[in-house]
Amino acid sequence: GAGVSQTPSNKVTEKGKYVELRCDPISGHTALYWYRQSLGQGPEFLIYFQGTGAADDSGLPNDRFFAVRPEGSVSTLKIQRTERGDSAVYLCASSLDRTSGGRTQYFGPGTRLLVL
Amino acid sequence: SQQGEEDPQALSIQEGENATMNCSYKTSINNLQWYRQNSGRGLVHLILIRSNEREKHSGRLRVTLDTSKKSSSLLITASRAADTASYFCATALGSYIPTFGRGTSLIVHP
Repeated sequence: GAGVSQTPSNKVTEKGKYVELRCDPISGHTALYWYRQSLGQGPEFLIYFQGTGAADDSGLPNDRFFAVRPEGSVSTLKIQRTERGDSAVYLCASSLDRTSGGRTQYFGPGTRLLVL
Repeated sequence: SQQGEEDPQALSIQEGENATMNCSYKTSINNLQWYRQNSGRGLVHLILIRSNEREKHSGRLRVTLDTSKKSSSLLITASRAADTASYFCATALGSYIPTFGRGTSLIVHP
């Protein structure tokens, strides 16, 4: 595809439920990132994949959050036992690879999660 | 924690005027990037400036970097209503993970 896509665009769920958010990166991009953005804040890093492996998951807030990228392309962010505080826009980005000094990241439109 | 902090938090100008936003950061960096975000959705990369560069241009955008003051500025010349958006700076040190500030909300009145 032409850009990073994320589904669903909006998700409303009830407290305690499980949700999955999907990210399709730009074809050929080996690096994939998940961020969370709350209202009035900048994106907050959650996890970074290089290929299939999670190279850095230090931003995941707790063990309710998990992400996979089994074939090195599509990634799924999974949130168990959702809490109201998980409500935010979840952004995915991809880049060609990891190089020293960073690479331009291309962002998807985000998934707006609302936990009631 | 957020490394870069944009200033001002909000900026309101008339079409045709120039808009200047600043970003300050705390630690050494390899590069600094500016992004734009419309309506709280995906971010669009605008420009990347490396730590050994002092100024960079892209169309109506001009970015400066002063590593001695740990600050950067983004200038949008001859602003248009379509420039209305939030603007974020993101810093990176050696790692692949840019750290974003809280952003400047720019409103350009037609």
